[in-house]
Amino acid sequence: TQLLEQSPQFLSIQEGENLTVYCNSSSVFSSLQWYRQEPGEGPVLLVTVVTGGEVKKLKRLTFQFGDARKDSSLHITAAQPGDTGLYLCGTDKLIFGTGTRLQVFP
Amino acid sequence: DTGVSQNPRHKITKRGQNVTFRCDPISEHNRLYWYRQTLGQGPEFLTYFQNEAQLEKSRLLSDRFSAERPKGSFSTLEIQRTEQGDSAMYLCASSPSHSLDIQYFGAGTRLSVL
Repeated sequence: TQLLEQSPQFLSIQEGENLTVYCNSSSVFSSLQWYRQEPGEGPVLLVTVVTGGEVKKLKRLTFQFGDARKDSSLHITAAQPGDTGLYLCGTDKLIFGTGTRLQVFP
Repeated sequence: DTGVSQNPRHKITKRGQNVTFRCDPISEHNRLYWYRQTLGQGPEFLTYFQNEAQLEKSRLLSDRFSAERPKGSFSTLEIQRTEQGDSAMYLCASSPSHSLDIQYFGAGTRLSVL
């Protein structure tokens, strides 16, 4: 069974702090996506990474795909309350991680 | 185009009743997916369609669940003889043929079985 493990499960920080969340698997994937989901809404795609070692930046968010295409990380610089939400990783195999719930306090 | 639309947004039903949800994907998206999400979990894959053909079904999709996409446009998900364990958010997503990895999600239908 292919599994995606995300860590940490919960993260509560103050505005302005930096954070990193992780998505790990024992399987190799062709691509990996990161989504953000707010309560009562569906996930919204943030980025997709396809090449081992790839780094993509989206404003204060930096996404990295592991060299072996088994893991990924999302780093947020100077977090803001608007970053609050559930961050999910998902793969081309239609599998999603359990998510990291981020709360950023002003 | 306004994105993926799901109706109803909320459904409350009594155990044993049948319910049907509808999903309207983004126009011209060939693939349509159904997921179930419970509190504190990520979405779990249920089934997906390529146009009108149902290509894959998860083991989670028991015989009480059935999905259709008769004309390759909108899709319905029906749950018969609902159980309390069916209470969840049911998400629909669609993707274009040129970017199958990228899924656009609807806001979901939240089902509560009493």
